[in-house]
Amino acid sequence: AQSVAQPEDQVNVAEGNPLTVKCTYSVSGNPYLFWYVQYPNRGLQFLLKYITGDNLVKGSYGFEAEFNKSQTSFHLKKPSALVSDSALYFCAVRVSISGAGSYQLTFGKGTKLSVIP
Amino acid sequence: SQTIHQWPATLVQPVGSPLSLECTVEGTSNPNLYWYRQAAGRGLQLLFYSVGIGQISSEVPQNLSASRPQDRQFILSSKKLLLSDSGFYLCAWNRPSTEAFFGQGTRLTVV
Repeated sequence: AQSVAQPEDQVNVAEGNPLTVKCTYSVSGNPYLFWYVQYPNRGLQFLLKYITGDNLVKGSYGFEAEFNKSQTSFHLKKPSALVSDSALYFCAVRVSISGAGSYQLTFGKGTKLSVIP
Repeated sequence: SQTIHQWPATLVQPVGSPLSLECTVEGTSNPNLYWYRQAAGRGLQLLFYSVGIGQISSEVPQNLSASRPQDRQFILSSKKLLLSDSGFYLCAWNRPSTEAFFGQGTRLTVV
C-alpha cells in the first residue's frame, strides 16, 4: 500500500533555530509528495510539493523540503523557526484511486511543531 | 482564482438528529471533491470522494453518506447522528495532477 509516515508526534525547537519535520514514503513508481500545515480549528494549508525536478523544493513561509529517493524521505525544513510556525504539519502522498482514473491524497498522522520563544 | 467554502464552522447536534454539511467550490470546473474526518486534532481519514456529478465513492463503512448534486457542490449527510460522529470534518478539492485545497472545516459535536 502506498503511504507516508511521520515518525515524530511532536517536535520542539527554540525560536531562531533550524527545524526539521520528518516524513518517509512508501510508493510504487515516482512519488508525488506534499506538505500541509494546520492551525487550530482550521483547514489544511498547502505549503509545497514535489512532483519532479530539483530535489530541494521551496514553498510558502520560508519552508523547504528535500526529496531523497535513496532514503525515501521528504523532510520539511526551515533555517530559522518562528513562534508563529507552531502548528500541526502533515505530509501526504498522491495515491491513484483504482478504477476512477483519478487520485486522492493519503496523509501521515501529523507532527505537532512547537517553537519555544 | 479558486475558492472553497464549507459551512457551518461549528455545529452541535443531539444524538439521532440529521446532519447536512455543505461544501462548494468556485473558480474551477469538474473538480475532484473529498470529505475527510479528523479525530482528536490529528490524522485525516478519507470518508468520501467524487470525480463527477452523482459519482460518490466511500472509503469506510459508516453512518454517513455523501452526495454531489452539482459539479461544484458536495454534501455530507446523516439520517441519525451517533456520538461517534463527533469530529472535525474537512472538505477538499483538487484537479487530478495538483495539490488539494481545503475548506476551513466544520467542528461537529454530537451530544
